Order: sequence, then C-alpha cells, then structure tokens
Amino acid sequence: EKVMTQSPATLSVSPGERATLSCRASQSVSGDLAWYQHKPGQAPRLLIYRASTRATGTPARFSGSGSGTEFTLTISSLQSEDFAVYYCQHYNTWPLSFGGGTRVEIK
Amino acid sequence: EVQLLESGGGLVQPGGSLRLSCAASGTTGWVRQAPGKGLEWLSAITGSSDNINYADSVKGRFTISRDNSKNTLYLQMDNLRVEDTALYYCVKVGTGWFFQSWGQGTLVTVSS
Repeated sequence: EKVMTQSPATLSVSPGERATLSCRASQSVSGDLAWYQHKPGQAPRLLIYRASTRATGTPARFSGSGSGTEFTLTISSLQSEDFAVYYCQHYNTWPLSFGGGTRVEIK
Repeated sequence: EVQLLESGGGLVQPGGSLRLSCAASGTTGWVRQAPGKGLEWLSAITGSSDNINYADSVKGRFTISRDNSKNTLYLQMDNLRVEDTALYYCVKVGTGWFFQSWGQGTLVTVSS
C-alpha cells in the first residue's frame, strides 16, 4: 500500500501571498496524482490530475508539479475563496489513497 | 457537470447493515469522511462491473455494485462498526482513477 503524506498540516497565509503545499508518496506513484479542494459543508472538488493538469474550471493560479514520490500544489496568489483543506490522492495502484490534508487558513 | 445524488444514510446499531444508493452511471466509487478526519477511499467499480476494488478497512464487510438499467450505484454495508460513522460520498471516476465529480454525501451514524 502506498502511503501519502502531506505537509504542513496547516498553512497560514495572507491573501495575495503564495502558498506551497507538499505531498509525498511512500513509493513512486509516477504521475498518477490528483489534488482536491474541500470547503466545509461542500463536496470536495477536483483541482489537478496527472500531477499537473488543471481540471475544468480550475483557475490558473493553481498549479501542480512533481512526479515519482514528491509533488507540490502551488497557489500563486491566494484569494479569499481559496481558504480550505487540500488533499492529494494517488491512483497509481490499488488500493487508492489520500493524504491527510493541508488546511490553508487566513494569517 | 455530472450531478450525483446519494441516499440511504441513517442511524444503525453496531453489527447492523445499511445500503447506500447513488444515481450515477459509468465508472464510479465511494469515499468517506469520518467526523474531524480526512478523506478515505473505500471502493470503486467500472461501468461494466468487471473491475471492482476495495480498501482493506472495508473488504469483506462492504460490497459495491451497480444496476445499469437504473443508472444506480450501491454500497451494501454489513457488520457496521462505530468507526464507520462518516459522511459517505459517491464519486464519478475520471480518465484515471481520480474523482472528477462528487455527490453532496449521505451521513451514516453507527451507534447503540
């Protein structure tokens, strides 16, 4: 089983600043990595798949990078609507798994 | 955008059973979120039901299935435990095994 570890657990950022979220896999997942945004009371939303491909409707300020075991989600300039919990998920092999999440909060 | 609608959640005693439903077609699955916890993938099934997979935490207790004549996905949950208490999401799988669409979730509470 491939374990996904996200860091930091909480990231405090001011609006307009850059946020960098990390996701590490215990074994290589190649480029089979997705990122989701989850706000309280809402369904999670797919942001990025194949490590760096933005899903339909994902703003350009969100970018994903990495391959193998190290991945990064970058939000170039945080907007008020971006404060949420972000999860990575690998889909390289069974079982699929999510990271524990990074909460992005207002500084 | 694909609309997914789950139903069937509720309160059940430990050891009991519950069946969740979701109006959804194609390759789909289930993900849950326990109170105060993160997301946990549970199970996935292809549109033709020829590829089915489970997380170890539910293997042998939960059964995923689908009825294509009704465009409905199911999750039969047996031998429920207190730790199965969670919001259960129905998900639509994308071009890889990631989740491009999510339902709003149905709440399952396992308690005596």
